[in-house]
Amino acid sequence: EADIYQTPRYLVIGTGKKITLECSQTMGHDKMYWYQQDPGMELHLIHYSYGVNSTEKGDLSSESTVSRIRTEHFPLTLESARPSHTSQYLCASSGKLRAGSSYNEQFFGPGTRLTVL
Amino acid sequence: GESVGLHLPTLSVQEGDNSIINCAYSNSASDYFIWYKQESGKGPQFIIDIRSNMDKRQGQRVTVLLNKTVKHLSLQIAATQPGDSAVYFCAETPGMDSSYKLIFGSGTRLLVRP
Repeated sequence: EADIYQTPRYLVIGTGKKITLECSQTMGHDKMYWYQQDPGMELHLIHYSYGVNSTEKGDLSSESTVSRIRTEHFPLTLESARPSHTSQYLCASSGKLRAGSSYNEQFFGPGTRLTVL
Repeated sequence: GESVGLHLPTLSVQEGDNSIINCAYSNSASDYFIWYKQESGKGPQFIIDIRSNMDKRQGQRVTVLLNKTVKHLSLQIAATQPGDSAVYFCAETPGMDSSYKLIFGSGTRLLVRP
C-alpha cells in the first residue's frame, strides 16, 4: 500500500478564505503531482514537481499555487477560495524506475474533497 | 490535442462473468499505458500497465490488450467480483519528453450484479 497522505479529507469553507491542502509521502519519491477531479470525471493535472524547489503548472489552468521545500511535502494553496474551486484534489507521487520499465507508476493519496460555499 | 477516452461510461455485469473495459487514445506517440481503479471516496489504485512494444500483459485476473494500429486499449477482468465495482481509468504517457506525466481518460463505472 502506498504511503501518501492528504489532509484534510473533507473541507467546507466560505468564499474568500485562504486554504492549504496538505500532501506528504514517505516513499522518498522525487516527483509529486496534484490533480483536480470532479465527481465521476477524469483527473486533470494542475501542478507537478520533479524535485525540491521545482514546480510546474499542469495541463489544466488553476488559481492554486504549490511549493516543494522538502522532498516529502507538496502543499497546495488557494489564496481566496471561490465556489468554482469546489472539487476533489488528488495528490500523487512517483519515484525510482521499476526494473525493466522506463516509466514511473504514480501512487495516489485518498484525496481532499473541497466545498466552497 | 491529445485525448484518452472511453467508449462506455457504465458497464453492468453479472458476478462471475468476465468484464471488458475499453479505451481509445489519439496520440500515436504514446508509449506507456496504465489502468487505474478508483473506489468511491478513494484515490486511484494501480491495476496493470503495458508498454507500447507489447500487445498483451496479464496480471492476477486482469489482462490488458493494446492495439496500436487502431489506438485502442482494453482491460479484461476475469470472474468479476463485487469488489471489482469501481470506476476504471486508462491513462497514457505521451512520449519520452513527458515520460513522468499521465493523461487520464474519462473513466468507466463497473457495476457488478450479485
